[in-house]
Formats: sequence, C-alpha cells, structure tokens
Amino acid sequence: GAGVSQSPSNKVTEKGKDVELRCDPISGHTALYWYRQSLGQGLEFLIYFQGNSAPDKSGLPSDRFSAERTGGSVSTLTIQRTQQEDSAVYLCASSLGGARRTDTQYFGPGTRLTVL
Amino acid sequence: GEDVEQSLFLSVREGDSSVINCTYTDSSSTYLYWYKQEPGAGLQLLTYIFSNMDMKQDQRLTVLLNKKDKHLSLRIADTQTGDSAIYFCAEKGRQGNLIFGKGTKLSVKP
Repeated sequence: GAGVSQSPSNKVTEKGKDVELRCDPISGHTALYWYRQSLGQGLEFLIYFQGNSAPDKSGLPSDRFSAERTGGSVSTLTIQRTQQEDSAVYLCASSLGGARRTDTQYFGPGTRLTVL
Repeated sequence: GEDVEQSLFLSVREGDSSVINCTYTDSSSTYLYWYKQEPGAGLQLLTYIFSNMDMKQDQRLTVLLNKKDKHLSLRIADTQTGDSAIYFCAEKGRQGNLIFGKGTKLSVKP
C-alpha cells in the first residue's frame, strides 16, 4: 500500500511568512510523529499524535510552531513568522500505535523548507 | 538523559565488511533501530533489535547488542557501492518518539 506522503516536497519562503506542511500517514496508523532534520542539530523530535491528540508539545522549538491532526489521519505542521533558523527538512512518520511493542515508525520523504 | 552517539564517517572498499557503532544512554530502551538515508531521500528502516537479544541477522546485516555497555553495532557484509548512505542508530524515547544519533556517513570505494 501507499507509504507516508508529505507535501510540498520543497518550500521556499521569505522570512516572516507563515508556512503549512502536510503529512498523510499510512492508512490505519494511529500514531504520527514530526521530526526536523538540520545540519547543525541532526534529527530532532518535534511532536507526537496518538489519534487526534498530542499529549506533549514540549518538543516544539518555539511558540511559532503548532501542529494539528484531524480525523485521526492527516496532520499539518504550521510555522508562523518563519525565521532563517527554521530552514530544515521536516520529516513525518507514522506507526500502528497503541501498545504494540515494536511499533515501527515509517517515514515520509520530507519537506525541505528554505527561509530566505 | 537520553542520548545516542555515533561516529560521523566510515570509508570502506567494495566487498569489505562495514561496522557502524553506536552507544546509547537509556538502559530502559526496549527496542533499538537502524535506519538508512540515501541522498535526498527519507529514512528507511533497515532493522531493529529487541533488548533481550544479543544478535540479529538479516541477510547481509548483522546487529550486535551489548546491553551492559549500551553499545549497538551494525555490520554490513560484502559492502556494495549501493550501500553508500547515512546510517542512523535510534532508541525509543519516553513518548514513543525515536532519539537518533547524528548519523554515520558510509562511503564505499570501488
């Protein structure tokens, strides 16, 4: 079946603008994760959804970042008033979730965000 | 705290074995993972190992786990040029998220 998809694949924006990044998880996966990959910081965890709820938002780097998930499926990550340090590849992953021991995460191809 | 460390670079000749090492800090980690990232691509799960295992073999890949030393390694037998990529070691964090090392860039010379 289809894997995790993300859109857009590339986004170039000007400093101060808002951006929305979208993630479509694998059908039937209840858990969804957002990560950020940048040269200086490696792979950082941002936020996790189980169903529509995000129990802990402390991984988000600032209050300019927010995420939502509706219908237990698609998620959007919104960055307001973008800064140059937000430039990175934003990766989404999904997994079956629940109490499964392995709960393997499958990653999408990412959205490369460039803030000029 | 939770932290994963790996060496940044490894260079081998085609046909040789590659060994990528990783150390982690959370002794309660139940699963440890290896992911591969090719240039411009997302992360591909290679293999994982449960913490009560010492070794797992899957075709050319062998994972060794030393739980006492919190050391994980990935051995790729008969390394090919197509194996050139960045390899990430990861452990599970408290929210079920993955905590990654910085990645080891494997270069395979013909």
